[in-house]
Amino acid sequence: AQTVTQSQPEMSVQEAETVTLSCTYDTSENNYYLFWYKQPPSRQMILVIRQEAYKQQNATENRFSVNFQKAAKSFSLKISDSQLGDTAMYFCAFMKDYYGGSQGNLIFGKGTKLSVKP
Amino acid sequence: NAGVTQTPKFQVLKTGQSMTLQCAQDMNHEYMSWYRQDPGMGLRLIHYSVGAGITDQGEVPNGYNVSRSTTEDFPLRLLSAAPSQTSVYFCAIGSSGVLDYGYTFGSGTRLTVV
Repeated sequence: AQTVTQSQPEMSVQEAETVTLSCTYDTSENNYYLFWYKQPPSRQMILVIRQEAYKQQNATENRFSVNFQKAAKSFSLKISDSQLGDTAMYFCAFMKDYYGGSQGNLIFGKGTKLSVKP
Repeated sequence: NAGVTQTPKFQVLKTGQSMTLQCAQDMNHEYMSWYRQDPGMGLRLIHYSVGAGITDQGEVPNGYNVSRSTTEDFPLRLLSAAPSQTSVYFCAIGSSGVLDYGYTFGSGTRLTVV
């Protein structure tokens, strides 16, 4: 069974600084997808970034980037130039393969609560 | 979220009562699922469906029932509510054709069982 571990329950960062959230996972699969979701106080689940395991290049979305280390089964999220609006819970998630029966189910870590301080 | 409607947003139940959480989508996605979110536990899969007439259990299915008679709707039923079912519930939908955007989540239902 796949597992996702986020070892930092809470983190804080000063506005405009950079912060990195950690995520490790365990799987015997070779093809899979990894995601970071953001959940602000509004409770809405928002997709931040996605990484396909077969791609060596790290995904980037504006101020958000990942460091994907397949051999180490590590998938960290870096937030540059942190903004007050980045304050949220961040969840790392694993999907065995793209949608196709149970392969499409997301497995979540327990989350990291990020606070951005002015 | 546009395309996924969850109702109600809040609900208080007494132990032993039954209720149905509704999830409706207008995006014609095959995949629909229910997750529950508890403090310190992340999101855990309850049930999922890969199409009308097809459902299967996730990680924490006990105490919950689902059916999928149409593509659009995927209700979650609590037959006899228990305090352990106090949680925030999310419906999520997806399609292989739009994986670039990940799964789309509803806005959640906060359920309290007293």
